[in-house]
Amino acid sequence: GAGVSQSPSNKVTEKGKDVELRCDPISGHTALYWYRQSLGQGLEFLIYFQGNSAPDKSGLPSDRFSAERTGGSVSTLTIQRTQQEDSAVYLCASSLVGGLGSGGSYEQYFGPGTRLTVT
Amino acid sequence: AQSVAQPEDQVNVAEGNPLTVKCTYSVSGNPYLFWYVQYPNRGLQFLLKYITGDNLVKGSYGFEAEFNKSQTSFHLKKPSALVSDSALYFCAVRTIYGNNRLAFGKGNQVVVIP
Repeated sequence: GAGVSQSPSNKVTEKGKDVELRCDPISGHTALYWYRQSLGQGLEFLIYFQGNSAPDKSGLPSDRFSAERTGGSVSTLTIQRTQQEDSAVYLCASSLVGGLGSGGSYEQYFGPGTRLTVT
Repeated sequence: AQSVAQPEDQVNVAEGNPLTVKCTYSVSGNPYLFWYVQYPNRGLQFLLKYITGDNLVKGSYGFEAEFNKSQTSFHLKKPSALVSDSALYFCAVRTIYGNNRLAFGKGNQVVVIP
């Protein structure tokens, strides 16, 4: 079946411009995550959506970053007034989610990422 | 807070030799542990996970990992490395409580030398 898809694959923007990054999760996955991968760094958690619950925004680095998930499926990560330090690969992942009684934890499936370059 | 340490930046191994990539973790409560691999210009691919049960977990592409609770480790292993195993490997952990966010290590670059 189709995996997680992200668009665009590459984005070059000028400092100060706004950008929108899109993620299409695997059909049926109720959880969606955004991460940021900077050169030489690990993966930095940004935001997590689960069903209709309020998103966990605790990883967003500043108020210039926001994300929404429409209809429990597609998600858009928006970065306003981009800065050069925002340059990174932005990865989206989705997973099934089970409660404590489900007996397990589900792995996250990642998209190919969007490489953002702010000039 | 949960965290992962991958102490080596790069692991070099000759093709055909055993490969080990080290990971130690810190969590409150019982951990769920994962290994992912990232090939150049690609997203992360799931390799294997430990949730409960046998400490030795087998995964994709001949990889396995051993959960050691007393040493809080989850080292990734492969008996005989291939050149195609050259990639970036990430260890990740979450707890069974709270949300499902993963804490990732910084990653290990594995270079398999022909």
